[in-house]
Formats: sequence, structure tokens, C-alpha cells
Amino acid sequence: GQQLNQSPQSMFIQEGEDVSMNCTSSSIFNTWLWYKQDPGEGPVLLIALYKAGELTSNGRLTAQFGITRKDSFLNISASIPSDVGIYFCAGRGSGGSNYKLTFGKGTLLTVNP
Amino acid sequence: DVKVTQSSRYLVKRTGEKVFLECVQDMDHENMFWYRQDPGLGLRLIYFSYDVKMKEKGDIPEGYSVSREKKERFSLILESASTNQTSMYLCASSQGGRDYGYTFGSGTRLTVV
Repeated sequence: GQQLNQSPQSMFIQEGEDVSMNCTSSSIFNTWLWYKQDPGEGPVLLIALYKAGELTSNGRLTAQFGITRKDSFLNISASIPSDVGIYFCAGRGSGGSNYKLTFGKGTLLTVNP
Repeated sequence: DVKVTQSSRYLVKRTGEKVFLECVQDMDHENMFWYRQDPGLGLRLIYFSYDVKMKEKGDIPEGYSVSREKKERFSLILESASTNQTSMYLCASSQGGRDYGYTFGSGTRLTVV
């Protein structure tokens, strides 16, 4: 089946620093999504990407749909303590159960005030 | 505000008990999903349903079953709870079609003793 490799697994940064994380897939995806999970809560959708090369921002967050359609990147600028949480990438391919998402294993972000 | 509601935030059950986890969504979504989340393993799909009374196995269905008698409700059943089923369980829903992400519930932290 489809697999996503998300890196890094964890990050420990100082407040104000920029953050980058990425996901790569073994197959082509038509949709890339980025979620954030606050401690003790369910994941919440941050950004959705639908076209290869697309670059989309949501406040201090910017995500890109890779040209090859096999990868995606999330950047967080000027991190703040409330950015703490687990960030998941998710992708959707074509054919079969095309409403089903494949998730990465997550990047745990810790921000030191 | 659209919602996915999981009936319990925390549950403690004994080994061998039959356990029901309930999930209700108010968005008229066709698709519903059950995941379990464990440290280092990310989100693993247990079962999903794309219509009332329809269900499909995910990646780790062993020891679980599901029920979807009404569109808004998707129940996860642990037939005979075991300690290795101690985990965070997340329910999600989505509209049909390729361009929609999932909306997650807040999760149920299940401990089997």
C-alpha cells in the first residue's frame, strides 16, 4: 500500500525560530494535507494542497505540493509556544478508495520559550 | 460549528470486557473512520465506512468490529478487550469526493487493565 515518510520525527527549537518538515511518498498523490494535533486533542486541518507546485499559506504556516507529486513541505515561521504539538502530513492518491487518506507518523514539535 | 463527538474522553476497562466506543458527526458526511494512535506509530486505520451499513477493514482490524446503523453514528467495538488495545482512539469523518480532508473528534484514551 501507499506509505508516507515524514521527517523529522521530532524537533526541539527556541521561540522565534523557523521550522521545516517534510513528507515523501512512494507513489503519486493528488492531494496533500497538513494537520496539527494539540496535546490531548484530535488533529485539526491546517492546510490543503490540490495541485503540483501549489504554495499555500495560513498565517505563519506555508505548505507546498511538490512538483513530482510525491512530496510536500510545511514551514512555520517565527515559532511561538502554542505551536507545540504533533504535525501530520496526509495524502490522497487516485483510484480505489480515493476518499481514504494515508498519514505520516507525525513530527513532534517542542518550542522552548 | 461542525463537530465529530466521541462519547468518552477517558475509559478504563478490564481485560476480557466488551467495549463500545461511540462517535457521532453532525455534518451529514458519508465517510467515517476509526484510528488508533500510539507513540512512534502515528495514526493507524482500524475500520472505515463509506455508507450506512457498509464497512471496510483498515490496516489493523484484528480484535475490533464496527457498526454503522445510521449515517451520523459509527461505533467501534472491542469484542474482548486486551491490554495491547490500550491506546488513544480517534474517530474522523469526511464528505465524499477527493478534495475533502477529515474532521477528527477529540479522541478517547482507553486503558485496559
